[in-house]
Amino acid sequence: NAGVMQNPRHLVRRRGQEARLRCSPMKGHSHVYWYRQLPEEGLKFMVYLQKENIIDESGMPKERFSAEFPKEGPSILRIQQVVRGDSAAYFCASSPPVAGTGELFFGEGSRLTVL
Amino acid sequence: SQQGEEDPQALSIQEGENATMNCSYKTSINNLQWYRQNSGRGLVHLILIRSNEREKHSGRLRVTLDTSKKSSSLLITASRAADTASYFCAHQSGAGSYQLTFGKGTKLSVIP
Repeated sequence: NAGVMQNPRHLVRRRGQEARLRCSPMKGHSHVYWYRQLPEEGLKFMVYLQKENIIDESGMPKERFSAEFPKEGPSILRIQQVVRGDSAAYFCASSPPVAGTGELFFGEGSRLTVL
Repeated sequence: SQQGEEDPQALSIQEGENATMNCSYKTSINNLQWYRQNSGRGLVHLILIRSNEREKHSGRLRVTLDTSKKSSSLLITASRAADTASYFCAHQSGAGSYQLTFGKGTKLSVIP
């Protein structure tokens, strides 16, 4: 019973390149969340998606960042034209389709380093 | 403190001692949750307490919630070296919302 799977675990990009981070939720979960964590900080909400729908993207920068959760396949967080300030750990979490405990199940994170 | 805030920011104790971490928040909440994060890893859910609950236990963990003071505490009894990690409180607000608001966490070191 695999948990939330994220890849890549580590990603290095040069300024101006694109970063794509993937997240496969737990089996049976249809809600996906992306969070960003800076060093020595807590997690900051970015976006909440259900299959084929962005429900809440209030925490995501308006430019260069986008997220999707297609009908088939993993959720993708895409960062275009990366800058040094994008260096962070990006965590994906999932939850089941009906109101449950409210607990989120987190992946191990993708650590992005921008040179 | 966290957005919620936690204090202390760092805590160092001897194995066998109890560890207490506090968390404060600013809005009304549906529930408050505690997570643990080992260095370089993802977050693991520890315990959830609902806004109408005052205390909850799970193994060596005890969580309290005081909604009048907008604060919570996490007590880890008889700590072990394996408890060394960062601990975050996070709260959910709003009907049907799964969004969690995290604080900066408490870094706990348990010395063998």
